[in-house]
Amino acid sequence: ETGVTQSPTHLIKTRGQQVTLRCSSQSGHNTVSWYQQALGQGPQFIFQYYREEENGRGNFPPRFSGLQFPNYSSELNVNALELDDSALYLCASSLGGRGPKIWFYEQYFGPGTRLTVT
Amino acid sequence: TQLLEQSPQFLSIQEGENLTVYCNSSSVFSSLQWYRQEPGEGPVLLVTVVTGGEVKKLKRLTFQFGDARKDSSLHITAAQPGDTGLYLCAGETDKLIFGTGTRLQVFP
Repeated sequence: ETGVTQSPTHLIKTRGQQVTLRCSSQSGHNTVSWYQQALGQGPQFIFQYYREEENGRGNFPPRFSGLQFPNYSSELNVNALELDDSALYLCASSLGGRGPKIWFYEQYFGPGTRLTVT
Repeated sequence: TQLLEQSPQFLSIQEGENLTVYCNSSSVFSSLQWYRQEPGEGPVLLVTVVTGGEVKKLKRLTFQFGDARKDSSLHITAAQPGDTGLYLCAGETDKLIFGTGTRLQVFP
């Protein structure tokens, strides 16, 4: 069974640039959530994708967008990077289901991508 | 704004000691999760508690969910160096809200 993987491991970008981060979910999982973890803080929920559709969103601006592919892997795109976007970006996969609530049970996290914006 | 406050922020103890980490909020949660995160890795789920007053045990770790489902505690008995890490609680409302974390270091 393959765990959750993320790429790249580290990334340095300049303010105003755009970035794409990638996540491969655990085998058999159909739901991917993305989180931002600033230094010294707990993760903050960005959004969740279930079967290629956005299934819920946290308090992040529209310049944070995502995609989920038929194989359930996912991308996080951030446009117009700001210095405060510097953080560890985590994805988590789970076997969820679409419903009235966002699915947060039995999530398996990847190791994260460390993004530095200068 | 929903907040989950964890205390203490930092804890440095000797092997064999007991400790308790607290997670408090003014919000009511439908469930509460505890994670441990080590440097360079993502959080790993330890337990999910759902019912007010629920107590779950995982070897030397005991988790309790408050009766009103607004708070939780994690008690570790006879801590070991392998318990070192960042402990995060996360409460579920319409979103998953993470606490600020408790960084535990256990010295041999």
